[in-house]
Amino acid sequence: EVQLVESGGGLVQPGGSLRLSCAASGFTFSSYSMSWVRQAPGKGLEWVSAISDSGLTPYYADSVKGRFTISRDNSENTVFLQLKSLRPEDTAIYYCAKGWGSRGYYYYFMDVWGKGTTVAVSS
Amino acid sequence: DIQMTQSPSSLSASVGDRVTITCRASQGISSYLAWYQQKPGKVPKLLIYAASTLQSGVPSRFSGSGSGTDFTLTISSLQPEDVAAYYCQNYYSAPYSFGLGTKLEVK
Repeated sequence: EVQLVESGGGLVQPGGSLRLSCAASGFTFSSYSMSWVRQAPGKGLEWVSAISDSGLTPYYADSVKGRFTISRDNSENTVFLQLKSLRPEDTAIYYCAKGWGSRGYYYYFMDVWGKGTTVAVSS
Repeated sequence: DIQMTQSPSSLSASVGDRVTITCRASQGISSYLAWYQQKPGKVPKLLIYAASTLQSGVPSRFSGSGSGTDFTLTISSLQPEDVAAYYCQNYYSAPYSFGLGTKLEVK
């Protein structure tokens, strides 16, 4: 069964840091891009960041560029999101999601999602 | 950056109705568009990709169309279980932005 399990969320003060992890299982992790998507309370989905299958190419939303860093460890089937200089507006559920791929074609939309981990930024 | 604009932001319809949600990209994205469904309290679910390809397991009452800048998601006969928020996503180029969503309710 394909599964994504996020961890690392919590309550942090403005200006603080957190490291989110997403453990993947049930598929060949190193063959797919991975993304992070967040959802603030009562709001819509916001794409945050993605990383290529090799880990060489990261992408970021303008709202987090320079503050968040995505990385992956293909030997551990895990993708990370390092959050720094956190702001109250970063408060959200953070979802990890697997990029779609089939027959040699790979794209940055998501076909499997984790249940999410909650980040709350407040003093 | 490409902006995705969805309309309407909310919609109420009756069971059996045909429902259409539109999504417009600020620049051409060919057919690199996906649609997601998020039921209340649940994780988002992929419905359609490549603008019109139904993801495996998605009921055939869902369909998508469009290319370039204008796209539609259609539910041919609304069912009670279709109560959800629906989002489009550009995957033509980063940042891979979502639309703001359409909240669908059943009368």
